[in-house]
This record gives sequence, C-alpha cells and structure tokens, in this order.
Amino acid sequence: GAVVSQHPSRVICKSGTSVKIECRSLDFQATTMFWYRQFPKQSLMLMATSNEGSKATYEQGVEKDKFLINHASLTLSTLTVTSAHPEDSSFYICSASQRNQPQHFGDGTRLSIL
Amino acid sequence: QKEVEQNSGPLSVPEGAIASLNCTYSDRGSQSFFWYRQYSGKSPELIMFIYSNGDKEDGRFTAQLNKASQYVSLLIRDSQPSDSATYLCAVRVNTGTASKLTFGTGTRLQVTL
Repeated sequence: GAVVSQHPSRVICKSGTSVKIECRSLDFQATTMFWYRQFPKQSLMLMATSNEGSKATYEQGVEKDKFLINHASLTLSTLTVTSAHPEDSSFYICSASQRNQPQHFGDGTRLSIL
Repeated sequence: QKEVEQNSGPLSVPEGAIASLNCTYSDRGSQSFFWYRQYSGKSPELIMFIYSNGDKEDGRFTAQLNKASQYVSLLIRDSQPSDSATYLCAVRVNTGTASKLTFGTGTRLQVTL
C-alpha cells in the first residue's frame, strides 16, 4: 500500500520552456502533498506543502509564480516549473500523506534545462 | 545549530555486522520520527517510524527514540551490501493536519563484503 506515482521520470528541455510534473497517490487519498527539490549530494529541500482544494504554502525563498502547484483532487497534485532556466535543473520529488500518516515519496523527476 | 543533525559518514561496516545510525534534533516539540533510505539517484523510501520513547523493531531494523536526550537512532542487524545507501532522519511536529518533515542531511552507509 501507500504507492505514489510521479511522472515524468526525466525531462530534458530548452531554456524558457514550462514543465509540468504530476504526482498521484494510487491507493490512498492524500490530504496533503509535498514538493521537494534535491541538488546532487545535498539533502531534500521542501519547496511547498499542498492541501487538496486550497492554495499551496511555499517555503521561504521559493518563488510561487515560478513553481505553480495545483492540488485539484485527493489523488493528484501538479508542479509546473514556468519558464525554466538551467539553474532550475534538479531532482524534483513529491510525497503524499493521509492526515498524520507517514509521507510516501514518488520516484522523482530529473529535470535538465539546456 | 541545525534542526536535525546526522553524521554524513560514510559509515563502513562489514557484511553481517550491526550498523548504528544516529540522529539528534533540536525542537522539543517534535513528536514523530522517521527513517528513510535513499539509494543514489533514487527517491527516499520509508524504512521505519517511531512516535514513543523506547525501541521499535521491524525485521532487521530497530528504531530507538529518547525524547529526553532528543536522540533517535536506527540499528540495522545482519547488514547486507544491499543496505548500502544514504539514510535520512526526519522529524515532524504534529499540528493537527499533515505537517512537514524536517530532514537531516543523511548518513551514507557502506556495507563491505
């Protein structure tokens, strides 16, 4: 149980492109989804917390207009990186949890901006 | 002072030995504690969670929590080469709804043949 699916697993695109990443909880209803970014050899950095049907809460220093988060249902959240630039290249990982249950992570999306 | 501290390692143990991974945290309001395993290039995978003082065992894994000392550890018995990974300690302060985790930087474990 507690399977979280994340797509796509890898994206390579040109600078200026917008990229959408999907995160789905497959066998449970995720009241909260989280989006993280991880640079090589560094720990996870929380970008934002998303509750179903409400606006995401962004961590300090994360641009909400650049990283658009939508959590339209209890099983789906999306992260859109708008007008991506090379410095946005990173490993983006979502997680989902049901109420105060542990967070379960998706497989991550490796984003490379040329 | 970092909120969640771990020794970055690498911690090297021979196959079959016990690996002991340690974590300290600064927020006394922390109520839930998690250990995740992350293989290189992959996303974290939940290994154990513990909410109460004492030990919690699951197969080869034992989580230990001491809230008075603000210390949580993970023991891996009969370590296998497949256990080689980075182990992330995460701490949560429950606020009624699903609350965010604060992660340590992880300890890299190497199990040698």
